[in-house]
Amino acid sequence: EPEVTQTPSHQVTQMGQEVILRCVPISNHLYFYWYRQILGQKVEFLVSFYNNEISEKSEIFDDQFSVERPDGSNFTLKIRSTKLEDSAMYFCASMVAGAYNEQFFGPGTRLTVL
Amino acid sequence: AQSVTQPDIHITVSEGASLELRCNYSYGATPYLFWYVQSPGQGLQLLLKYFSGDTLVQGIKGFEAEFKRSQSSFNLRKPSVHWSDAAEYFCAVAPSGSARQLTFGSGTQLTVLP
Repeated sequence: EPEVTQTPSHQVTQMGQEVILRCVPISNHLYFYWYRQILGQKVEFLVSFYNNEISEKSEIFDDQFSVERPDGSNFTLKIRSTKLEDSAMYFCASMVAGAYNEQFFGPGTRLTVL
Repeated sequence: AQSVTQPDIHITVSEGASLELRCNYSYGATPYLFWYVQSPGQGLQLLLKYFSGDTLVQGIKGFEAEFKRSQSSFNLRKPSVHWSDAAEYFCAVAPSGSARQLTFGSGTQLTVLP
């Protein structure tokens, strides 16, 4: 069964460093998402991406965040200058086109900012 | 803004007992409704979804949920719990018309006693 994959599974970085989290969505999916879950808190929407542009973003997704689909298979989330509060589990999700569909989630990348 | 409430942070049941996890939502119109499960170290797996039609929906692993418009609820049920059902369960909503931005509840941690 096709699945969403994410790399790395765990990333440790120093505050102020840039990180790139990578996702490979399911191949025939057209909608892509990033969510995050700070330890002990809710899963929160960050951004959705369709047709090579951001379609929606939350207030969390500020100028330090960016997303890209560089090569038609990968979908990346970049955090330019990490802060301690960026420590969280980041989930990628994808969805096929059409109204009555659901998002499929990857296993997540745990980001730890020291 | 839409919101999702899962009033039970933690539920403990004995193996073989029945289970009901509560979910209430606040939304202007009937949203799309989902239940996801997260096992330790795993991503979010979709258990079931409601878009329209029959208000009792069947999902994977023997789970079902009932949409009650009058109560703005979408409670998850299972008649006989297995030890492998121990996990965290998240209710989520999305605007009807397209399952785009998901809003998650805070989750219910399920413990299953032998």
